[in-house]
Amino acid sequence: AAGVIQSPRHLIKEKRETATLKCYPIPRHDTVYWYQQGPGQDPQFLISFYEKMQSDKGSIPDRFSAQQFSDYHSELNMSSLELGDSALYFCASSPRVARGFFGPGTRLTVL
Amino acid sequence: GESVGLHLPTLSVQEGDNSIINCAYSNSASDYFIWYKQESGKGPQFIIDIRSNMDKRQGQRVTVLLNKTVKHLSLQIAATQPGDSAVYFCAESAGGTSYGKLTFGQGTILTVHP
Repeated sequence: AAGVIQSPRHLIKEKRETATLKCYPIPRHDTVYWYQQGPGQDPQFLISFYEKMQSDKGSIPDRFSAQQFSDYHSELNMSSLELGDSALYFCASSPRVARGFFGPGTRLTVL
Repeated sequence: GESVGLHLPTLSVQEGDNSIINCAYSNSASDYFIWYKQESGKGPQFIIDIRSNMDKRQGQRVTVLLNKTVKHLSLQIAATQPGDSAVYFCAESAGGTSYGKLTFGQGTILTVHP
C-alpha cells in the first residue's frame, strides 16, 4: 500500500540557512499535518492543511511557513535556522475527518 | 495548555509477559485517543484507537482501555515479543475535523527481553 513520502530523509544545514521539507500524502488524502520531534521528545503539532487551506496551527515558529499545493503535496519552509531546530520532522496525511498516517520523517541537523 | 502525559518513562518485561502502558490526559474535551509505536528513527506507527464514547477496544494482541472519570488511558499488549520493543506514545485529539491534530504524551520505552 502507498505510504506518505517525505523528502529529503536527511538534511544538514548551517545556522541561519534555509531548508525546505517536502511531503507527498497518500493518494486521495486531502489533509496534511506537520509535526516536529526533538531528541527524546514527543512529536509536537506544527500546522495542518485541508484542501490547500491552513486548517489548524500549533507551535510553529514565525520563521517557518508551509503550504499545500494543488496536487496535495505540502512543503515546510524553514528560514534563519537555529541549532534548536534540529529534530525529526514528520508529515502525516489523512482523508478529512479521519486519523492520520505518518511518513518516515526528515531528520534535520543544524550545525 | 492541555496535555497528555505518561506515568512511567520505561518498562522492561520478559518475552511472553503481558505489558501495560499507562497514560493520563487532562483535556476533558478530547474525543479521540490513539496509541502509537515508534521505533528508532522511524515515524509513529498506529497501533489502536478509541473514541470517547467507548471504554474498551481490542485489536490483535492489544487492548486499549479508557477511563473518562479519571482521564486515564492504558495499552495492554498480550504475550509481548522482542519485536514490540519501541517507544509507545498515547495521543489525543478533539476529533471531528481535527482528528489528525494530535497532542502526544511523553512516551514510554518498552524493552522486551528474550
